[in-house]
Amino acid sequence: QVQLKESGPGLVQPSQTLSLTCTVSGFSLTSNSVHWVRQPPGKGLEWMGGIWGDGSTDYNSALKSRLSISRDTSKSQVFLKMNSLQTDDTAIYFCTGLRPRRGFAYWGQGTLVTVSS
Amino acid sequence: DIQMTQSPSVLSASVGDRVTLNCKASQNINKYLNWYQQKLGEAPKLLIYNTNNLQTGIPSRFSGSGSGTDFTLTISSLQPEDFATYFCFQHNSWPFTFGSGTKLEIK
Repeated sequence: QVQLKESGPGLVQPSQTLSLTCTVSGFSLTSNSVHWVRQPPGKGLEWMGGIWGDGSTDYNSALKSRLSISRDTSKSQVFLKMNSLQTDDTAIYFCTGLRPRRGFAYWGQGTLVTVSS
Repeated sequence: DIQMTQSPSVLSASVGDRVTLNCKASQNINKYLNWYQQKLGEAPKLLIYNTNNLQTGIPSRFSGSGSGTDFTLTISSLQPEDFATYFCFQHNSWPFTFGSGTKLEIK
């Protein structure tokens, strides 16, 4: 059974850096990719970026300058770091597992991050 | 980037109704269109992948159709648990993109 779970701070101050962790089970990080998707309150879903089985990464061009995704395969964890946070970065952040030619099939429960002083 | 446009943005319906939700892509995405259901406070749930394939465990009252740029999700007989927001999603080309959603509410 595939499970993903996000963890991280619920509150971040403006201009600071967000760090989130996605802990994965039942889903090999070296054979599959894990991505981050966010959703501002009451709004739609935005793909942020992801890390592939070979360790390469892809980022949404709108966030690329602020975003970094990495992993620790020994701990089955994927990390998101995004700097220079502003209030419009307030959102629920999901990690999601990509199933080849089936799209984002597996989702974490999401974690709400509020950017506020 | 491929833009995904969903209509209507809000749909009011009653239990037992047959409803159709629409999704249009700004360019050809072949068959690589998924539908997700999202309830308040929950993660999106995959209902249908690649236009018309029902994800394991999803009731058969859900069905999908379409090709190229125009796609539909049909719920044949609405149940109380179906009132939620539905997103379409293209995974034909990067960056993958979502529609803005259709909120299905009780009439």
